[in-house]
Amino acid sequence: DTAVSQTPKYLVTQMGNDKSIKCEQNLGHDTMYWYKQDSKKFLKIMFSYNNKELIINETVPNRFSPKSPDKAHLNLHINSLELGDSAVYFCASSPASGWYQETQYFGPGTRLLVL
Amino acid sequence: AQSVSQHNHHVILSEAASLELGCNYSYGGTVNLFWYVQYPGQHLQLLLKYFSGDPLVKGIKGFEAEFIKSKFSFNLRKPSVQWSDTAEYFCAVNAYGNTGKLIFGQGTTLQVKP
Repeated sequence: DTAVSQTPKYLVTQMGNDKSIKCEQNLGHDTMYWYKQDSKKFLKIMFSYNNKELIINETVPNRFSPKSPDKAHLNLHINSLELGDSAVYFCASSPASGWYQETQYFGPGTRLLVL
Repeated sequence: AQSVSQHNHHVILSEAASLELGCNYSYGGTVNLFWYVQYPGQHLQLLLKYFSGDPLVKGIKGFEAEFIKSKFSFNLRKPSVQWSDTAEYFCAVNAYGNTGKLIFGQGTTLQVKP
């Protein structure tokens, strides 16, 4: 059973397009995250939701909009894609608030290539 | 600002060699510490973690790490590496008050030659 799943696995698109990435977790966790891994493999958090409420919103262009329809799902919508958006996007989840003695579990990643 | 530094960017070892990857963080308060591994083309997997208690923690696949609070370090070790350990290794810190924001180091690429 996949704990944290993402779709699609690969996404190739043209500059200017709008695309979405979906994430689902079946661990019963309250908190979900989006991380971006750049071409140098550096990982940085973008957003975090706790029980559908946005709790972390890093310095990310407002072309990126997360949406959490319920606590098991966290989607990422990207408007007007740019070349610099090419990266691997990882979804993660943790049991509660994400701080006290909690582990984050990561999905398989979505490799986005903007042409 | 909090940061995590991994000293070795690219490590090449022969099978059976011993491994130590350095990780230092800049935060004076309470922290949770993690090592994650990313095998080629795969997602991040948890190798081990430190929350409290014994500063020497053991993880999967024979890895261990030691938390030295005075040095703000959490180095990863393995006595004898295998070819299958070839991967990217990430140290990460979750600091008190950060509401779950994991701060990652820049990663270390480990290449094990058979």
